[in-house]
Amino acid sequence: DIQMTQSPSTLSASVGDRVTITCRASQSIGSWLAWHQQKPGKAPKVLIYDASSLESGVPSRFSGSGSGTEFTLTISSLQPDDFATYYCQQYNSYWTFGQGTKVEIK
Amino acid sequence: QLQLQESGPGRVKPSETLSLNCTVSGASIRGGFYYWGWIRQPPGKGLEWIGFMFGSIHYSDSTYSNPSLESRVSISVDTSKNQFSLKLSSVTAADTAVYYCARAKGSGSGWFDSWGQGTLVTVSS
Repeated sequence: DIQMTQSPSTLSASVGDRVTITCRASQSIGSWLAWHQQKPGKAPKVLIYDASSLESGVPSRFSGSGSGTEFTLTISSLQPDDFATYYCQQYNSYWTFGQGTKVEIK
Repeated sequence: QLQLQESGPGRVKPSETLSLNCTVSGASIRGGFYYWGWIRQPPGKGLEWIGFMFGSIHYSDSTYSNPSLESRVSISVDTSKNQFSLKLSSVTAADTAVYYCARAKGSGSGWFDSWGQGTLVTVSS
């Protein structure tokens, strides 16, 4: 099984901050990685797929990078609507999620 | 516009079988090359895939289950209703979770591009 490890688990930030979340895979997954945003009581919503492709309708302040075993999600300027929990998801071999990173207000 | 909607009992007794349906609108389960299946999230915890089926009519018997749940999971499809179903047997309190149906698309096993709203299932006597 491929394990996904996110860091940090919790991140405190202010509106306007640049935020970076890291996801590491236990083995190479190429570029088969997605990032999802989840707000309380709601289903997750995909932001990024294929490591760096922006899903239609997602603001351009979200970006993804990486390949192999190390990936990052960057929010260039944090907005009030961005306070949520973020999950990485590999799809190289079946599916695995990271444990999540909660972005909270500082 | 693609929509997925879960339905089923909100409470199941320990040792019984959890049964959920997912009704799809806006696309045919048998059209294209997508995976359709189930993901769950225990209260306050992360996401876990349960099982998926490959929707293409040419691969109608292809289902995949999380090894940690494999012996208890069954996924089936009702083409006439454009609906797919989950059965999880011998449930315990550890199976209490919000259950989502979802579609996976794209290369590899696919990323989850569409989700249902989720339904909370509580295992309790």
